[in-house]
Amino acid sequence: DAKTTQPPSMDCAEGRAANLPCNHSTISGNEYVYWYRQIHSQGPQYIIHGLKNNETNEMASLIITEDRKSSTLILPHATLRDTAVYYCIVRVQNSGNTPLVFGKGTRLSVIA
Amino acid sequence: KAGVTQTPRYLIKTRGQQVTLSCSPISGHRSVSWYQQTPGQGLQFLFEYFSETQRNKGNFPGRFSGRQFSNSRSEMNVSTLELGDSALYLCASSLSPTVNTEAFFGQGTRLTVV
Repeated sequence: DAKTTQPPSMDCAEGRAANLPCNHSTISGNEYVYWYRQIHSQGPQYIIHGLKNNETNEMASLIITEDRKSSTLILPHATLRDTAVYYCIVRVQNSGNTPLVFGKGTRLSVIA
Repeated sequence: KAGVTQTPRYLIKTRGQQVTLSCSPISGHRSVSWYQQTPGQGLQFLFEYFSETQRNKGNFPGRFSGRQFSNSRSEMNVSTLELGDSALYLCASSLSPTVNTEAFFGQGTRLTVV
């Protein structure tokens, strides 16, 4: 079972920042937070991941709370092409990767 | 570089038949995972292969099997197809199971069982 909780859906106006929350209150010390998204009828696409420090790449920023029990994915300037289902996943990174366990995710609709 | 290639993209089979799906990972990637996606159950992990060995297996019946070849290409097979096997089957590749990196997914094979 997924170890994360996400809102089922969110709307965001085009050009505005999209802030997608994720709760992972039972996260362990050796578990990373991963974000993927799936645009309709395509395979999931990796966005970003992190352990405890905030992370930023060309796609998004990941803000992880100090207690690591929740995180927020930020798309700084959402476009219509960012409309997708966003999945937050916690994953052990120890002697070997554990499989990605997808929950139901958040369906983000970017509105013109 | 080329992405993950899955063939065929679409497939229609009859109940009771068997089917084989193929996945070619990104060049240099040695780990391949398979997922099933249905509207009711979402994305579910099937199995993972690395160096021709199955490393992890999800909670699916024995009708679902797979293998990996020495060139890292992978196939999955479903025998005695049921209507409920209709789904999008996704393959993901990554460098290795022990490297902290992302998985890259293919476009999937959409299987319809009639």
